[in-house]
Order: sequence, then C-alpha cells, then structure tokens
Amino acid sequence: EPEVTQTPSHQVTQMGQEVILRCVPISNHLYFYWYRQILGQKVEFLVSFYNNEISEKSEIFDDQFSVERPDGSNFTLKIRSTKLEDSAMYFCASDVQGAGETQYFGPGTRLLVL
Amino acid sequence: GIQVEQSPPDLILQEGANSTLRCNFSDSVNNLQWFHQNPWGQLINLFYIPSGTKQNGRLSATTVATERYSLLYISSSQTTDSGVYFCAATPGTYKYIFGTGTRLKVLA
Repeated sequence: EPEVTQTPSHQVTQMGQEVILRCVPISNHLYFYWYRQILGQKVEFLVSFYNNEISEKSEIFDDQFSVERPDGSNFTLKIRSTKLEDSAMYFCASDVQGAGETQYFGPGTRLLVL
Repeated sequence: GIQVEQSPPDLILQEGANSTLRCNFSDSVNNLQWFHQNPWGQLINLFYIPSGTKQNGRLSATTVATERYSLLYISSSQTTDSGVYFCAATPGTYKYIFGTGTRLKVLA
C-alpha cells in the first residue's frame, strides 16, 4: 500500500540553526500538509499546499517557516532559525481532495532543538 | 473555529474488555477521521467516517453528524491497542482539527 515517507526520523539541532524536514507524499495525491505535535499534546495544523502554493496556514506558521515542492516527489518544511519551542514531532500528510477524504500521515520527524 | 473534544482523557482496561471512546465537535463538519498513535508516535489511520457506521475487525466507528459526535468502539481489547486515539475533523477547509486524544492502556 502506498505510504507517505519522511526523513530524517530524528533530528537534533542547535537553537538558531536552519533545519529542513523532507517528505515524499503518496504519488497521486495533490494536497500536502504539515502538522506538528509538541510532546504530550494534540496534533496541530501548520500549513496546506496545493498547486505549488500555500492554501491555508495557521498562526503557528510564521515567517520562520516555509514550504516548498522542489521537484515532482518531495515536499519540504524549512525552519529558518530554530527556537527551543520548535521541538516537536512534525508530520507530513497528503490526500487527493483537500481534506475531502482520508488524509494519510507520514511516520513523523522528531525534532529536538537544544 | 471548530472545537474537537474527546472523552475520556484516560482509560485503563483489562485485556479482553470492550470500550467506547467519544469525540464531540462544536460545529458541523464535512469529514472526520479516527487515528491511533502508537508508542513510536506514528499516526495510524483507523477510519474515515464523516457519517454512518463502519467496522474493521474488532474496531468500529459511528458518526452522527447532525448531533455532532462520533464514537469509536474497541471490542476484546488487546495490549497492542494501547496508545493514544485521536479524532480529527474538518469544517470544510483544507485542515483537520485534532481532538485532545484518549490515552488507552490495556493491561495483560
């Protein structure tokens, strides 16, 4: 069964450093998402992406964050200058119809900012 | 915006017991999913269920959209069912709003 993949599975970085989290959505999906989950809390929406542009973003997704689809398969989340509070699990997701049906989640990247 | 609340927040069961998890949402939703987050943090799709009832093995789910709730039933629970169960709903925009989760522990 097709699945969303994410790399790396874990990343440790120093505060102020840039990180790029990578995702390969399911191949025939058109809508892509990033969510995050701070340890012990619920999953929060960050951003949705369709047709090479942001469809919707939350208040969490400030100027420190950016997303990109650099080629036909990858979808990335960049955090320009990481803060301690960016430590979280980051999930990539994709679907065909823009939350109009099942949204499939990747295994997550656990980011730790020191 | 829409609020999604789950109950109970924590649940401890003996292996073999049945349970019902509840998800309430504050406004009408177009779509709803149930997920199981395993101990490794992965979100596993259980059901896409905007309305009606579905069953998959020992799990079943029912959504009554007009009354703004969904239920997840786990029968004959096993230790591997342990983890956190989330419901997530979308009011028609692109994003899913997640509930606060029910943390389930099944004891052998």
